[in-house]
This record gives sequence, C-alpha cells and structure tokens, in this order.
Amino acid sequence: KAGVTQTPRYLIKTRGQQVTLSCSPISGHRSVSWYQQTPGQGLQFLFEYFSETQRNKGNFPGRFSGRQFSNSRSEMNVSTLELGDSALYLCASSLESEIDYGYTFGSGTRLTVV
Amino acid sequence: QQPVQSPQAVILREGEDAVINCSSSKALYSVHWYRQKHGEAPVFLMILLKGGEQKGHEKISASFNEKKQQSSLYLTASQLSYSGTYFCGTEWGYGQNFVFGPGTRLSVLP
Repeated sequence: KAGVTQTPRYLIKTRGQQVTLSCSPISGHRSVSWYQQTPGQGLQFLFEYFSETQRNKGNFPGRFSGRQFSNSRSEMNVSTLELGDSALYLCASSLESEIDYGYTFGSGTRLTVV
Repeated sequence: QQPVQSPQAVILREGEDAVINCSSSKALYSVHWYRQKHGEAPVFLMILLKGGEQKGHEKISASFNEKKQQSSLYLTASQLSYSGTYFCGTEWGYGQNFVFGPGTRLSVLP
C-alpha cells in the first residue's frame, strides 16, 4: 500500500515569501502530524490534525499554520519566511493516534530560504 | 518538555550490544522509539505504554520504568543495518503533544 506522500520534495524560497507544503497520509489514516527537523533542534512538533480539526499544537509562531481536508490530506503553510525556517519538514500519519502503531513518516520536504 | 537521551553517540563493532536511554522529568503515558538513517525518514520501532503494553517489531527489545520515567532500548548482536539516529518520543497523556528527544547517533562498524 502507498506510504505517506509529501510534495514537493525540495523547495527554495526567498525571505518574506510564503510556502505551502502538502501531505497525503496512508489510506485510512486519519491523524496527520507535522514536524520540523533541523541539525541543531532535532524533531520539533508543529501540529497534529485529526478529522479536519487541529488536535495539538507545538510552540511555533503564528506564521506556521495548517489544515486537514475531509480526505485526511493535510497542508502546512508558512508565511513571511525567515532564514531560520530552512529545514526538513516531515509529515507523519497514524490511524487515529500515534498510540495505535506509531507514526509512518513521509520522506519530507526540504525547504531552503535564501 | 523534551525528553533526555543518553548517550548522545555510540560506536560499536558488529555483534556488540548497546543500550540507549530516554528519560523524562514528567510522568509518561507512552514512550516511542524510532530509527532514522541518513537522508531517510524516521521509521517506527516500538511503543511502550504505561501499564506494560508494548507494540512493535519482534526483534526490538525495550523497557519502560514507570517509577523512574525512563525507557531503555536494547540493541543486541548489532548489525551494520542498525546504524542511524535513534529517537525516543514521549507523550504525557493520551492525545497530548508528542515530543521527540534529541536523538542518539549509533554507528556500527564491520
């Protein structure tokens, strides 16, 4: 069965621009979470969506937002990009909660802000 | 609050054993373990729940000490394929924020 699909794989943006990243979870998975991974900070939790509702949120500024659609696909948006937003953004899906059988991660979107 | 992992890095020879620890200052509901190889996404290894339930791959061994709020991942008879960064993730209650530790880099040499 298909895994978690993230698009695009790579993205280069200019400071001040905005960006939208997409995540398609495994079929049947209703929970989607987003993480930011950087060498210095590791895996930082952004937010989790379940049945189109944000269930949890990490400590990121309001420039970071997301949403989930009725088919469980999720998008993440970052507005007014800063150099420090350069990172690998990982999406992870699970049945209803990561408790079920853990997360399945996508390959990520590598965002570079110049 | 981010869990603490130790050691930060470990180098092994094939066939040797290793233990990676994860601890929290808060009471834990669950501890998860993931392995990430360079350039790849993290891969789920195991979940340990408060109360003793475990879910995960049969070849992976781990423990969860609820009194100490600590979990340990046991890698025995290591293989080259075990190399990667191991992350523990913790949750303080069902449906609460899920937070990863900083990772332990494991290198297995021939």
